[in-house]
Amino acid sequence: QSALTQPPSVSGSPGQSVTISCTGSSSDVGSYNRVSWYQQPPGAAPKLMIYEVTNRPSGVPDRFSGSKSGNTASLTISGLQTEDEADYYCFSYVGSYTMVFGGGTKLTVL
Amino acid sequence: EVQLVESGGGLVQPGGSLRLSCAASGFTFSPYWMLWVRQAPGKGLVWVSRMNGDGSTISYADSVKGRFTISRDNAKNTLYLQMSSLRVDDTAAYYCGRESFYAMDVWGQGTTVTVSS
Repeated sequence: QSALTQPPSVSGSPGQSVTISCTGSSSDVGSYNRVSWYQQPPGAAPKLMIYEVTNRPSGVPDRFSGSKSGNTASLTISGLQTEDEADYYCFSYVGSYTMVFGGGTKLTVL
Repeated sequence: EVQLVESGGGLVQPGGSLRLSCAASGFTFSPYWMLWVRQAPGKGLVWVSRMNGDGSTISYADSVKGRFTISRDNAKNTLYLQMSSLRVDDTAAYYCGRESFYAMDVWGQGTTVTVSS
């Protein structure tokens, strides 16, 4: 159950787009469309932003989008806003009823 | 309102035990898979355990297997995590969550466990 690989940090200016990657292997991310993404502001509980790779829960702005290519899932945030500054985590089913998070990415809005 | 409320955290000595509870309200508890996730201070999220609605399917992270036990009481709408042989590196905020489409769509506020002598 090795953690999925995310970049430790990304940054962007208001209005720009950023993409956060989440890399696993052919036996986890590559095998299942069961990747979700979470936003965690400082001191708060995480919030679901994307599920099953591309789906947005009700209430999540359409500036947030998800995709997957091979063993790497990605979260793209377009039209960056200052309130998007937070930690972001990917989460995936990895077989045998087990799951794993990515290491997390700190998004800084400059 | 859909809500999860954890309780039972606290200070415990290494080797000790603790039972966390997660009270669910605002939704029909019994059909849902439920999970526990933890976050050490200043660190990332780590999946701990999950269980299906009737308790017949359970899985654990390798780091807690054999020491932690997940359970649920559907009559009381409550999820539990029994933790034993606690270690210093089990110190974390523990979150329970409702699972939907292999994602955690509802999170509790977390309960803090500190393992220290």
